[in-house]
Amino acid sequence: EVQLVESGGVVVQPGGSLRLSCAASGFTFDDYTMHWVRQAPGKGLEWVSLISWDGGSTYYADSVKGRFTISRDNSKNSLYLQMNSLRTEDTALYYCAKEGSFGDVAFDIWGQGTMVTVSS
Amino acid sequence: SSELTQDPAVSVALGQTVRITCQGDSLRSYYASWYQQKPGQAPVLVIYGKNNRPSGIPDRFSGSSSGNTASLTITGAQAEDEADYYCNSRDSSGNHRYVFGTGTKVTVL
Repeated sequence: EVQLVESGGVVVQPGGSLRLSCAASGFTFDDYTMHWVRQAPGKGLEWVSLISWDGGSTYYADSVKGRFTISRDNSKNSLYLQMNSLRTEDTALYYCAKEGSFGDVAFDIWGQGTMVTVSS
Repeated sequence: SSELTQDPAVSVALGQTVRITCQGDSLRSYYASWYQQKPGQAPVLVIYGKNNRPSGIPDRFSGSSSGNTASLTITGAQAEDEADYYCNSRDSSGNHRYVFGTGTKVTVL
């Protein structure tokens, strides 16, 4: 079964740091670009970051650039998001998503998400 | 960064057809993908590319595009189609960045 399982979400104070993980199974992880997408409570989806199959290319939304770092360990079939200088507006459910091999970019597999709450 | 605008909510009678639109400059250059999200669940891809459905998505879902507008059509809406729907595309102002639409709540009456 193709599956993504996120972990690491907790309550953290503003200015704090956190590392999210996403464990992949059921597909050849190092063949695919991976993404992080977040959803604030009661709000819509927001794309956060992507990393190429080999980790050689990374991109970020302006809202997190300079504070978040995406990485992957293909030997462990795992994706990560290091989150620094957290703000209250970073409070959200964070999903990892697999990019499909369609030619056109689309996210064909999603995890169930891990909740990050930034609050004092 | 560019934006993708959707109507906040639409309703459709059971068995009837509903079209959800997504507008944005980036859609002149890139196809949209569409996601269905039910309460408490992760999004599910329903349409990608010109008009492609992943395995397991019913053929009542279809996509189209014209100019700066992408559309998702549900032909013969079922009760289980009641959900939030989001479009997504590349951000035309910067390569390798992506943007989601504002989302449309579909209610099946």
